[in-house]
Amino acid sequence: QKEVEQDPGPLSVPEGAIVSLNCTYSNSAFQYFMWYRQYSRKGPELLMYTYSSGNKEDGRFTAQVDKSSKYISLFIRDSQPSDSATYLCAMSEAGNTPLVFGKGTRLSVIA
Amino acid sequence: GAGVSQSPSNKVTEKGKDVELRCDPISGHTALYWYRQSLGQGLEFLIYFQGNSAPDKSGLPSDRFSAERTGGSVSTLTIQRTQQEDSAVYLCASSEDRGRPGYTFGSGTRLTVV
Repeated sequence: QKEVEQDPGPLSVPEGAIVSLNCTYSNSAFQYFMWYRQYSRKGPELLMYTYSSGNKEDGRFTAQVDKSSKYISLFIRDSQPSDSATYLCAMSEAGNTPLVFGKGTRLSVIA
Repeated sequence: GAGVSQSPSNKVTEKGKDVELRCDPISGHTALYWYRQSLGQGLEFLIYFQGNSAPDKSGLPSDRFSAERTGGSVSTLTIQRTQQEDSAVYLCASSEDRGRPGYTFGSGTRLTVV
């Protein structure tokens, strides 16, 4: 079992839909949880960051962490065609240690 | 600079040749990371530099891979005797050393070994 599991998709939704992206992990020492967005032929960019369990909201994006279930989620409300990208979850044990990434989920939002 | 700069953006090389990939991190960022992204494989950690500490080389896949960081700034990733399985996008990232996670990535170098 890989440390971080993420369904690669592809996921295709109509514009305006609510999107749910998820990752599971096996290492209970992970404390920092991140979501990155990657457009084609670009490097990943940090979207959301959460420490330990709980929810965090930023505009149309909500990140949730459930450490008891070793499960994290990213919700996108009112999805837009510009949200079409690959979304990668990432996590680490400490603040400046190497991140472990999921394989990424490719999302297409259709106008 | 304003962001993490990587060069070249694309590199095609013949099997068996050596290649050097360059990363120029954000000014003032003390931590620098190299990752490799292969199709369908996600991001694979290669090596991590933090200030003047010895680098964490635990992710390097073989002794054909090496990296150095001069003056705490620019880093070079070298792959010797390239193989076709080395074809991937090599991504560099940097971050501040303040216990705050999350890095800034460059756009990567797309390496193709033919």
